Amino acid sequence: EVPLVESGGGLVQPGGSLRLSCEASGFSFSSSWMHWVRQVPGKGLMWVGRINSDGSSITYADSVRGRFTISRDNAKNTLYLQMNSLRADDTAVYYCARIGAFWGQGTLVTVSS
Amino acid sequence: DIQMTQSPSSLSASVGDRVTITCRASQYIATYLYWYQQKPGKAPKLLIYGATSLQDGVPSRFSGSGAETDFTLTISSLQREDSATYYCQQSYDTPLTFGGGTKVEIK
Repeated sequence: EVPLVESGGGLVQPGGSLRLSCEASGFSFSSSWMHWVRQVPGKGLMWVGRINSDGSSITYADSVRGRFTISRDNAKNTLYLQMNSLRADDTAVYYCARIGAFWGQGTLVTVSS
Repeated sequence: DIQMTQSPSSLSASVGDRVTITCRASQYIATYLYWYQQKPGKAPKLLIYGATSLQDGVPSRFSGSGAETDFTLTISSLQREDSATYYCQQSYDTPLTFGGGTKVEIK
């Protein structure tokens, strides 16, 4: 069983919006701090942000603060990443993760006109 | 932000060789250090957590050492399936940060 499955990636124009989802299974999602990490194809890993277990504390990387919003629905075992005002340099594979052992398979977001 | 500096950025070694990758943090991170292996098109796979603890299911040829600012990942006897890129990551403070990666190739 795959513990984390992302969805919602795709092609979007600069300035556009996209919402990623990450459905969790097989572990205690509601007690887990969750993260988003991105990776430009062929490049290294960059942390995007994290949310604590009940959603009351959220922290973002400087490069996305004010444009991206992380949220969660513990009843649905789902993590979200709302991405607004997208730029070309946001193009990347986006992973959700419980940092450490649980990572999703990634979803590709391409920002291009 | 805590900078994580990995070296080397790439290496080529033969099957059976001992391989060492280092990771230096720009400030104290205790043992809040993970090591991952990533193969093309795949998500990172956890190898080591807490700087020295081997994740369940990971072969014992992988080991981690270090604390505070200096850390090492060692592969005691390189196997063909170890061809991958390896990353360190600190979780001592946000923003969480990763090393730049070490690409390991098999001669």
